[in-house]
Amino acid sequence: DADVTQTPRNRITKTGKRIMLECSQTKGHDRMYWYRQDPGLGLRLIYYSFDVKDINKGEISDGYSVSRQAQAKFSLSLESAIPNQTALYFCATSDMGQGVETQYFGPGTRLLVL
Amino acid sequence: KQEVTQIPAALSVPEGENLVLNCSFTDSAIYNLQWFRQDPGKGLTSLLLIQSSQREQTSGRLNASLDKSSGRSTLYIAASQPGDSATYLCAVKSGSARQLTFGSGTQLTVLP
Repeated sequence: DADVTQTPRNRITKTGKRIMLECSQTKGHDRMYWYRQDPGLGLRLIYYSFDVKDINKGEISDGYSVSRQAQAKFSLSLESAIPNQTALYFCATSDMGQGVETQYFGPGTRLLVL
Repeated sequence: KQEVTQIPAALSVPEGENLVLNCSFTDSAIYNLQWFRQDPGKGLTSLLLIQSSQREQTSGRLNASLDKSSGRSTLYIAASQPGDSATYLCAVKSGSARQLTFGSGTQLTVLP
C-alpha cells in the first residue's frame, strides 16, 4: 500500500462548486503539505501543517482552506472553485530523520474546473 | 524571494549518453537542495539531497553537485537508460524558510 494517498485522483467540477481533496498518510509523520503544479511553473506551496494544531499559509493560499483532522489526514478545500484553480495537486509529508527533512509525495490529484 | 530556474525545459538524448541537468537559484543562503524525479501518475520521488555544507552527493549513476557561491547545482546522469525518462525537479530550502522552492523542471527523454 502507498504511504501517502490522495483522493480523488481525478476530478472535474464546475465554477462555483465547493470541493475537497483528501490526503492520508501511514508514515506517522507530523508534517504535511499541499502543493499545486501548473505547466511551466513547478510546484507552489498552498498550505502546510507541522502538527494537528499548527496550520500555516504557503505562497498561494488565497481561495483555499485546509483541515488537519488527525496526524494522518490533511484535507484541502476549494470553497468556490474557479477555472484558474485547474491544476495538479500534490500532498506531501516529511520527517526530520538525522536532522534532514525529506518530503514524500502522494500521486497527485488532477483537477479541472470548467 | 528565492527563485529557482531549470534549463533546459526539455532534453532528448540517445540511450547510453552521459548528461547534465542544470539548476540555478537566486539566494545563496540555502539550507539544502534536493533533486526529485517526477513520473506521470506517481508523484515525486526524492533522488538526492545536498546539505549547504556539502559539495556533492552520489547515488548509483546519479551525481549532484552544489556551488552555493554561484547559485548553481547540476545533476549528472551517467550511461542514461530509457527508464530514466521523467521530469527532474530541483528544490531549494532557504536558510530562514520553512518550505521548499521548486524549479519548473527538465523533462528528459532517453531514446532507445
